[in-house]
Amino acid sequence: AQTVTQSQPEMSVQEAETVTLSCTYDTSESDYYLFWYKQPPSRQMILVIRQEAYKQQNATENRFSVNFQKAAKSFSLKISDSQLGDAAMYFCAYLSPYSGGGADGLTFGKGTHLIIQP
Amino acid sequence: GAVVSQHPSRVICKSGTSVKIECRSLDFQATTMFWYRQFPKQSLMLMATSNEGSKATYEQGVEKDKFLINHASLTLSTLTVTSAHPEDSSFYICSASAGAGYGYTFGSGTRLTVV
Repeated sequence: AQTVTQSQPEMSVQEAETVTLSCTYDTSESDYYLFWYKQPPSRQMILVIRQEAYKQQNATENRFSVNFQKAAKSFSLKISDSQLGDAAMYFCAYLSPYSGGGADGLTFGKGTHLIIQP
Repeated sequence: GAVVSQHPSRVICKSGTSVKIECRSLDFQATTMFWYRQFPKQSLMLMATSNEGSKATYEQGVEKDKFLINHASLTLSTLTVTSAHPEDSSFYICSASAGAGYGYTFGSGTRLTVV
């Protein structure tokens, strides 16, 4: 079974600074998908960014980027120019490659609580 | 984009009663939907996979007779918590995928409180 580990229960960053959230995972599969989800106080899960394991290029979405190290099974999220609205729980998630049709659920890490200091 | 609607957002029920939670995909068809449970300050734990037209698949440790799942159409899955007890109080979230590798869209969740 796959496991996802987020070793930082809480992180704090000054507004406008950059912060990196770490995520490692364990799998025997060679192809898969990885995601970062954000859960603000409203508890709505919001997709931040996704990465296909077969792609070597790191995904980016505006101020959010990932550092995907497949051999090390590491998938960190970098948030640049942090804003107050970025404050939330961030969950790293793994999806099996056999879920092409959405057949499997996501495996989540325990989450990192991100605090933005004004 | 893909939207998943979940109702109710909050429900309080008496111990021993049953509660139904609905999850609808509004602009896409979902042959598979997922139900998660989230305890305070914890991660989401997959409870079961809801399959349209067939029986749900439950994760280990989840009581299928307590958490009844029905997926009668391509856009609607329901989770019924039967004979609810205070320990069933939690945040329940559904999700569905609009296509291969696109990630999953989540409903807004249901906070269940059993008194």
